[in-house]
Amino acid sequence: EAGVAQSPRYKIIEKRQSVAFWCNPISGHATLYWYQQILGQGPKLLIQFQNNGVVDDSQLPKDRFSAERLKGVDSTLKIQPAKLEDSAVYLCASSLTGISGNTIYFGEGSWLTVV
Amino acid sequence: GEDVEQSLFLSVREGDSSVINCTYTDSSSTYLYWYKQEPGAGLQLLTYIFSNMDMKQDQRLTVLLNKKDKHLSLRIADTQTGDSAIYFCAENSNSGYALNFGKGTSLLVTP
Repeated sequence: EAGVAQSPRYKIIEKRQSVAFWCNPISGHATLYWYQQILGQGPKLLIQFQNNGVVDDSQLPKDRFSAERLKGVDSTLKIQPAKLEDSAVYLCASSLTGISGNTIYFGEGSWLTVV
Repeated sequence: GEDVEQSLFLSVREGDSSVINCTYTDSSSTYLYWYKQEPGAGLQLLTYIFSNMDMKQDQRLTVLLNKKDKHLSLRIADTQTGDSAIYFCAENSNSGYALNFGKGTSLLVTP
């Protein structure tokens, strides 16, 4: 079974530029998550989708971050304009459903450096 | 949000047991998890425990849960150099059942 796919793996951009990350969850998984992991910290939830609807985006900095999952499968996370403090690993994850106890599977992450 | 706390570093010798500790604050968490992250890789689920259990054993891994003290531990028996990684404790959040993570414990296993 294929895992959670993410691209690009690495990206270096200058501050104020924009960047987009793509995620393809495990087939059949209704719930998709984007996490931000800053170096030395644990992952922090940015947004959670159930199919194509948003369940929780309370920690998403909406002035610069946006995410969509239009057809309930793939998702894109965009940052515009990027700041230095956005340098982090962006982890996409998916689970069969969003209920407690469902295993959440993580992709390998997209590493962003903002210079 | 609720905080999950972990010690930052642990160093053990190969063959010894490792114990990684975690405290959480959300008493409504129904599941608690341990994830492993190797350098440059994503998060790998190691094991999880349901909140009505106090112990779970899975090969070299033993999870202990003290719900009264909101304390979770992961014991790795016969620790190997390949176990060197960052270990994250996580709990379900109240909303949407996404995971709240601790900052991670870096485990270094020396020969």
